[in-house]
Amino acid sequence: DSGVTQTPKHLITATGQRVTLRCSPRSGDLSVYWYQQSLDQGLQFLIQYYNGEERAKGNILERFSAQQFPDLHSELNLSSLELGDSALYFCASSVDGGPQRGYTFGSGTRLTVV
Amino acid sequence: GQNIDQPTEMTATEGAIVQINCTYQTSGFNGLFWYQQHAGEAPTFLSYNVLDGLEEKGRFSSFLSRSKGYSYLLLKELQMKDSASYLCAVRFSGGSYIPTFGRGTSLIVHP
Repeated sequence: DSGVTQTPKHLITATGQRVTLRCSPRSGDLSVYWYQQSLDQGLQFLIQYYNGEERAKGNILERFSAQQFPDLHSELNLSSLELGDSALYFCASSVDGGPQRGYTFGSGTRLTVV
Repeated sequence: GQNIDQPTEMTATEGAIVQINCTYQTSGFNGLFWYQQHAGEAPTFLSYNVLDGLEEKGRFSSFLSRSKGYSYLLLKELQMKDSASYLCAVRFSGGSYIPTFGRGTSLIVHP
């Protein structure tokens, strides 16, 4: 157990639908990062939140949005889903003060859009 | 761009040594990570290099040359459980210091 909790582990939904993925960071970590991993693209950075505020944005589609709540958990909302959104979605959190211990990843949510 | 290049796949024999290379654009470099990822699982942190040289951690070592834009991960005494994807990720100062991941090297260890 990495200490980063993601739910649900698996999600199957239809095109056009909306889903919400949830992440609880490791205790004490203020930063949360969302990544998408598909077979042909590798791990792609989507967005980072730090202590409730958006800190950095990557290749996140306009149909996707995220937020971080006062208790530091984060949610990634995916709407108007398309077949191509099928992927593993990872959340990671990091220790403040430096990257030396790396970014700790959760076990991911596997999203299948049918 | 911030291209990070790794071989797609490598194979090796149990008990042997394997070196997985990673090259990247040097401009704005601010640190390099190696992660291990078993199929369908979370990436797990192996090493972080920001200065030139070799960092050893048990059977795994990571090397960095900033001037050459080059790193390698060295795995010794290979075990079957080392079969996994190895991801090289680089922090660039122009990218909000968020790690950019290569596509990973799939390592297959056979008996």
